[in-house]
Amino acid sequence: QQPVQSPQAVILREGEDAVINCSSSKALYSVHWYRQKHGEAPVFLMILLKGGEQKGHDKISASFNEKKQQSSLYLTASQLSYSGTYFCGLTNFGNEKLTFGTGTRLTIIP
Amino acid sequence: EAGVAQSPRYKIIEKRQSVAFWCNPISGHATLYWYQQILGQGPKLLIQFQNNGVVDDSQLPKDRFSAERLKGVDSTLKIQPAKLEDSAVYLCASSRDRERPQHFGDGTRLSIL
Repeated sequence: QQPVQSPQAVILREGEDAVINCSSSKALYSVHWYRQKHGEAPVFLMILLKGGEQKGHDKISASFNEKKQQSSLYLTASQLSYSGTYFCGLTNFGNEKLTFGTGTRLTIIP
Repeated sequence: EAGVAQSPRYKIIEKRQSVAFWCNPISGHATLYWYQQILGQGPKLLIQFQNNGVVDDSQLPKDRFSAERLKGVDSTLKIQPAKLEDSAVYLCASSRDRERPQHFGDGTRLSIL
């Protein structure tokens, strides 16, 4: 079953913050986050492997809430380069297949 | 490190014709994936290889799609015969294992007339 992302789309001004959520109906093993710009391949952002894990680099970070079966991606002080569609990908226990979410389209305006 | 190589970048064919895509993964990556991405949607896994063997092909329409990975390196994905709904970008990705990042190629944009 496809993970559900929210919001579907968001428009921010440069410097504003955003949170993108990804939820699953099944117990999660790992969460992958990717960003895809129009006409390009998805680019890896980070993987979270443990419930409660948080990771980040630059001003992009993510958390993994095992109990709620969800992950959130945090973008702080957004830059124009952050524009694109963000996808979460989830794997479940006993299933190696990475299933991508519905996507969140992020637009940053000057 | 060289990235995932795919060819061709674009392909236009008529319905009922056949088409093949090629992928060369990053050196040393045992796991290779083929995804189908329809405009406005997330990538959908078609098939996953671990070295030569198939790990998952549950979403591969086997009546028309086939894939192989000879010698555990390069892979080809074939569609025969193509249908209008096969219009999509076909992405190849590779990783060291499922707990490592997947690295995507630039994809092949397929248009069916």
